[in-house]
Amino acid sequence: DGGITQSPKYLFRKEGQNVTLSCEQNLNHDAMYWYRQDPGQGLRLIYYSQIVNDFQKGDIAEGYSVSREKKESFPLTVTSAQKNPTAFYLCASSIMYRGNTEAFFGQGTRLTVV
Amino acid sequence: EDQVTQSPEALRLQEGESSSLNCSYTVSGLRGLFWYRQDPGKGPEFLFTLYSAGEEKEKERLKATLTKKESFLHITAPKPEDSATYLCAVQARGSGTYKYIFGTGTRLKVLA
Repeated sequence: DGGITQSPKYLFRKEGQNVTLSCEQNLNHDAMYWYRQDPGQGLRLIYYSQIVNDFQKGDIAEGYSVSREKKESFPLTVTSAQKNPTAFYLCASSIMYRGNTEAFFGQGTRLTVV
Repeated sequence: EDQVTQSPEALRLQEGESSSLNCSYTVSGLRGLFWYRQDPGKGPEFLFTLYSAGEEKEKERLKATLTKKESFLHITAPKPEDSATYLCAVQARGSGTYKYIFGTGTRLKVLA
């Protein structure tokens, strides 16, 4: 089955700790995205990647970092500089960035600061 | 600024009671409008893509329509399993990027 796999489903972070969220897709999509979802707010774009070895900041990139070394993978690191990291994180992909097509989402990772 | 507004925020329906959800948008150059369904604790599930005013798409009890300023998601004779949050997103040409801009969603509860 083609799709997007995010792991882990739940993640707990201590103060001052960096954590990495995994996102893997087997849809052969060029574009990948990371969103953050908070109650009562729409999805907010953290980073996106149009193609391998390329990525751009979204609307709320501060305190986050990404890499895109393989087409299938787009991991997100939440650094200690992110002051309010508790949220639901969603990874998505689309055929191509300029494709005017829908994005498909993974099942999300819920990150909690303890 | 490109913006998407969904209404109502929450909606309670009796099973079989048809209704519509609204997604209004102000963007410069619509490239596509997308509807998603999201269950609690899950990622959004793609439902429909609409590209131009007058276009309609249907899937089971759901029908999406598009005008130049808004989209409607019509739910006919809903069942309890249709309970979810429905998200609307647009992709706009005018911003110079191809970002998806999401509304905050409509939480639908269908009572048996």
